[in-house]
Amino acid sequence: DTEVTQTPKHLVMGMTNKKSLKCEQHMGHRAMYWYKQKAKKPPELMFVYSYEKLSINESVPSRFSPECPNSSLLNLHLHALQPEDSALYLCASSLSNTGELFFGEGSRLTVL
Amino acid sequence: KQEVTQIPAALSVPEGENLVLNCSFTDSAIYNLQWFRQDPGKGLTSLLLIQSSQREQTSGRLNASLDKSSGRSTLYIAASQPGDSATYLCAVNSHKLVFGAGTILRVKS
Repeated sequence: DTEVTQTPKHLVMGMTNKKSLKCEQHMGHRAMYWYKQKAKKPPELMFVYSYEKLSINESVPSRFSPECPNSSLLNLHLHALQPEDSALYLCASSLSNTGELFFGEGSRLTVL
Repeated sequence: KQEVTQIPAALSVPEGENLVLNCSFTDSAIYNLQWFRQDPGKGLTSLLLIQSSQREQTSGRLNASLDKSSGRSTLYIAASQPGDSATYLCAVNSHKLVFGAGTILRVKS
């Protein structure tokens, strides 16, 4: 099983809303990632968790708040977003920081 | 800072052709290089992973090579099919994964 599951697939929110994106994997991977992808652009790294600890934050605005409750789950909490934050948010996992990455199908976020 | 470049940006070929996608990177201190496929609006599917100590990897009609010293990788697709139409992304892992801009491939039937 090489599956990374992301929910919801689509999310529409207003600039004052609070919402969360969820990501789950059951491959025993110890590194998990959030990427942001705008249309016709490559994915851009946002956060990396290694052994449930935040190891990389790519200077992401505080309106994005990651959380890793356990080794299988990764959340991205969203608050006071801007329309320019509309994008495809991709979660990925790997056995280690130097291992093969497996991506989920993404959550398509639209901020009104 | 690692920079990854993919050439060509777009490619259109008739079905059955063999084709090569190119990827170059600026810092040769890498752990591995990974090729992905992305269909419109979808996530990324891992195609091949080449470790820094390896020269090539094969999976079915796909063959990826790595020349770390020159900072280059190629993805060879044999006997292309319309179902191969997608965006192909090269990503280099040197502490973190850095992506190229991708090659948009269209295979015409």
